[in-house]
Amino acid sequence: SYELTQSPSVSVSPGQTASITCSGDNLGDKYAFWYQQKPGQSPVLVIYQDNKRPSGIPERFSGSNSGNTATLTISGTQALDEADYYCQAWGSRTVVFGGGTKLTVL
Amino acid sequence: QITLKESGPTVVKPTQALTLTCTFSGFSFRTSGLGVGWIRQPPGKALEWLAVIYWDDDKRYRPSLNNRLTITKDTSNNQVALTMTNMDPVDTATYYCAHATNYDAEIYFDYWGQGTLVTVSS
Repeated sequence: SYELTQSPSVSVSPGQTASITCSGDNLGDKYAFWYQQKPGQSPVLVIYQDNKRPSGIPERFSGSNSGNTATLTISGTQALDEADYYCQAWGSRTVVFGGGTKLTVL
Repeated sequence: QITLKESGPTVVKPTQALTLTCTFSGFSFRTSGLGVGWIRQPPGKALEWLAVIYWDDDKRYRPSLNNRLTITKDTSNNQVALTMTNMDPVDTATYYCAHATNYDAEIYFDYWGQGTLVTVSS
């Protein structure tokens, strides 16, 4: 079965750039999607089809996907960006989520 | 405006079956290309996809739970139901339903319900 791997945690200082990665076999041949989840809330789609932002998502969120790795980049990270981030892809005709990355802004 | 809301029991006993209903508005299964999926999240753990049903009644299940899951839709009432049999305490989780958009045969979830916490306990 297809698997996506994320680092458990990433820390960033306010105003700096945060990079959250997601690895999977030939992930670049598929689309990568990213969700943000804050404590006690439902997930929110922040990136779809590798690098597109849904309406209402700030421009500081961007994405890329190549080779075996997809990356979510948050430029000028703000305290309100502190959350869990999950990548998702379509693998083996099923939906696959990564294990999530906790982004700490300190 | 697309909204989804999950409903069902908050507590089930081990070995019982769980049936959750997702009631949605702002879209219809009469629109080709879309679907509704179920995703769960055990307390403090990651998201785990369970199942998806498409406008054409095609269905996909998480392989490891395939023999325990059934997803159905009621187009007239804008509802999707998920039944999971033989519940176990490890199935304790928040269960979400979500609107699925299909692009190039790959789906993603662009609108989510608020989730419902289901506890499995005797």
